[in-house]
Amino acid sequence: GAVVSQHPSWVICKSGTSVKIECRSLDFQATTMFWYRQFPKQSLMLMATSNEGSKATYEQGVEKDKFLINHASLTLSTLTVTSAHPEDSSFYICSARYKSSYEQYFGPGTRLTVT
Amino acid sequence: QQQVKQSPQSLIVQKGGISIINCAYENTAFDYFPWYQQFPGKGPALLIAIRPDVSEKKEGRFTISFNKSAKQFSLHIMDSQPGDSATYFCAASTSTGNQFYFGTGTSLTVIP
Repeated sequence: GAVVSQHPSWVICKSGTSVKIECRSLDFQATTMFWYRQFPKQSLMLMATSNEGSKATYEQGVEKDKFLINHASLTLSTLTVTSAHPEDSSFYICSARYKSSYEQYFGPGTRLTVT
Repeated sequence: QQQVKQSPQSLIVQKGGISIINCAYENTAFDYFPWYQQFPGKGPALLIAIRPDVSEKKEGRFTISFNKSAKQFSLHIMDSQPGDSATYFCAASTSTGNQFYFGTGTSLTVIP
């Protein structure tokens, strides 16, 4: 149980375009979802936390107008990278948590490459 | 400020040996300590987790040792196998909070 999926698993886009990444909790209702960014050989960096039906809370230094997060339902959150630039190239990972759990369940990640 | 400090950064162990990774924290409000295993190009997967009411938890070849007074916890991998070669992250959180604070990761290589 507690499976989280992400789509796509990898995406290549041109500089200036926008790309949307989906995160789904497949077998539970996720009251909270998290988006992380990970650079090669580095730890996970929390970008934002979102609760279903509420606006996301962004970490300091994360541009909310550039990284749009929508938590439209208890099983779906999306991250849209707007006007992507090569420096946005990274591994983006989502996680989800249900109300009575301490644990965060991670998705498989999305590799974004901006050319 | 790094909330959770992890060491070593990298570790090489022979097959059959014991791998030990250490983490330390400062915030005494932390009450949940998970360990994650991450393979290249994949998301982290929960290995084992502990609450501070116990000093040790064992699941198969994986054991967490927890020292509340020292504010330290460690992961022990017994009988290490080449398939255990991955990056391991410790983390800490509070039961009332959402955020996980991750360590910097340990790259484990188990050589045959």
